[in-house]
Amino acid sequence: GDSVTQMEGPVTLSEEAFLTINCTYTATGYPSLFWYVQYPGEGLQLLLKATKADDKGSNKGFEATYRKETTSFHLEKGSVQVSDSAVYFCALGNTGGFKTIFGAGTRLFVKA
Amino acid sequence: ETGVTQTPRHLVMGMTNKKSLKCEQHLGHNAMYWYKQSAKKPLELMFVYSLEERVENNSVPSRFSPECPNSSHLFLHLHTLQPEDSALYLCASSQDPLRGRDYEQYFGPGTRLTVT
Repeated sequence: GDSVTQMEGPVTLSEEAFLTINCTYTATGYPSLFWYVQYPGEGLQLLLKATKADDKGSNKGFEATYRKETTSFHLEKGSVQVSDSAVYFCALGNTGGFKTIFGAGTRLFVKA
Repeated sequence: ETGVTQTPRHLVMGMTNKKSLKCEQHLGHNAMYWYKQSAKKPLELMFVYSLEERVENNSVPSRFSPECPNSSHLFLHLHTLQPEDSALYLCASSQDPLRGRDYEQYFGPGTRLTVT
């Protein structure tokens, strides 16, 4: 069945460091891919998405490119801030179905 | 109010109590979801409603009972819960994905439930 695997955390970085959170997926068909972020005490919110191969999603300095050949959707940011500290979830849309498949989440800590 | 709201934000209940969680969405969506988020476990989809009909029920124990009276409101009725049911319960909404697209979900802030 469809699945999402993302790197285990926590990831601890200093402010202004480069961030990569790896995400790979297994899917039949051509799903959409998402990154959600969960700040402390809040629900998940959509960070960015890509709906087809080679699409790049971007928002708030974060980027991810839908790579069909490597079945990956890695999240990157060139310079993280303390306010980026949160849990990040990679997710796969079930192509017209109700079940979005979420990864286990990666906790990011950014130190000043 | 905007987006997806959930009440209460925190709930402590004994194993013999009956309580309800409420979710309301102000986005004009027609699909609503309940998720359970436990520490160190993946997000678990519990129930999905589309146009007020339940379309997904993922082997959830009967002590959890959902209700969707209209497309803007979703409830989760709780009774005789166990301590392992303590978790963050998240509500979400989206456009109807059965139109062949993967619509993103919009989440509420969650209800932190503690069962004593």
